[in-house]
Amino acid sequence: DAGITQSPRHKVTETGTPVTLRCHQTENHRYMYWYRQDPGHGLRLIHYSYGVKDTDKGEVSDGYSVSRSKTEDFLLTLESATSSQTSVYFCASKTSGRADSTDTQYFGPGTRLTVL
Amino acid sequence: RKEVEQDPGPFNVPEGATVAFNCTYSNSASQSFFWYRQDCRKEPKLLMSVYSSGNEDGRFTAQLNRASQYISLLIRDSKLSDSATYLCVVTHNYGQNFVFGPGTRLSVLP
Repeated sequence: DAGITQSPRHKVTETGTPVTLRCHQTENHRYMYWYRQDPGHGLRLIHYSYGVKDTDKGEVSDGYSVSRSKTEDFLLTLESATSSQTSVYFCASKTSGRADSTDTQYFGPGTRLTVL
Repeated sequence: RKEVEQDPGPFNVPEGATVAFNCTYSNSASQSFFWYRQDCRKEPKLLMSVYSSGNEDGRFTAQLNRASQYISLLIRDSKLSDSATYLCVVTHNYGQNFVFGPGTRLSVLP
């Protein structure tokens, strides 16, 4: 399995507070991704990064920001958490931007976030 | 309409049964195709890539029909350990972006 970790694994917070989730990979992968997974919606892309300091928005980016200052770390920040951001958050990484059937994404274990 | 659609499920099958999952995608520029499995409260994990010529990995067979924009996964001789949600995935934008289907849940019963 790819070496991808996420912290914290569980978090309960209150509406209006800032929250930062961390993803750390030891595979030297260039691409990193943040998804959220909710019942009825499946996995939805929040933001992704294609290199250090290079990021782009995904399908559901409103209310989220990201930063990537090192290859191995990708941070997701909720500036002011809302109850609609209660979800399971998964980080993923992959080697390159090739459209190649062998170049797939590897996922971290997930963070369960509850916003009260 | 979602970009990737799958059988709604759930599928409840006895051990030893053969089960087929279907997936359709709407973006004709999609480039790579995968099946992932996700166990309850766990992260998705790659099950297999899907090639145009079709491919097999033990009891699992995947097929791709680009003309019909259709992907399938066949599981033969199903085991209890196959119980999971199966996610159909397509990529585009030169492989940068992965689009996940909503998943189909499988329960294999003793």
